[in-house]
Amino acid sequence: SQQGEEDPQALSIQEGENATMNCSYKTSINNLQWYRQNSGRGLVHLILIRSNEREKHSGRLRVTLDTSKKSSSLLITASRAADTASYFCATGGGSNYKLTFGKGTLLTVNP
Amino acid sequence: GAVVSQHPSWVICKSGTSVKIECRSLDFQATTMFWYRQFPKQSLMLMATSNEGSKATYEQGVEKDKFLINHASLTLSTLTVTSAHPEDSSFYICSAQTSGRAGEQFFGPGTRLTVL
Repeated sequence: SQQGEEDPQALSIQEGENATMNCSYKTSINNLQWYRQNSGRGLVHLILIRSNEREKHSGRLRVTLDTSKKSSSLLITASRAADTASYFCATGGGSNYKLTFGKGTLLTVNP
Repeated sequence: GAVVSQHPSWVICKSGTSVKIECRSLDFQATTMFWYRQFPKQSLMLMATSNEGSKATYEQGVEKDKFLINHASLTLSTLTVTSAHPEDSSFYICSAQTSGRAGEQFFGPGTRLTVL
């Protein structure tokens, strides 16, 4: 079942601007991950944040996690046209590490 | 490292035929593989989890007799869509996970299935 909910569903910005996407989930988690998917392609793992972490950075990406609000945000700074893609959050946990994906945010970065 | 391939990348078939999709971990051994389905502009829905050498575990609502999964080795899992119908047209994505990297899955590039 879908647990994560991303907002906005679609986001259009200009190159150079920052993009922020949010994800909310319903149950307790061990970790939360963000993925990127270019149109018609597979998923690329971006970053994993564990439940005991509050913030994590990777290059131009910044992820925050607020377990009290059951929410996470993904910030892409200084966006580029190549960042145009769908972004999904996914929560994982349990003995077989099943991932439950959110509905995704379609980000369009205009050159 | 951690590359997962899928074959074919796209397939068109007639209604009533069966289609087999392969998922391979190229440079690591995958104790667990997952199969997802994604409809246009929607998110990924987990269909089943397969562990090498054992029967797959299907998610609620997924017909195990229609979507046959075989995980015969630590580097190969196959999904066979039996008696495919137009409503089975979708993007099928597999992922693979090793026992040593808990929570991180490596995804294949996906297979686009179109049933006429």
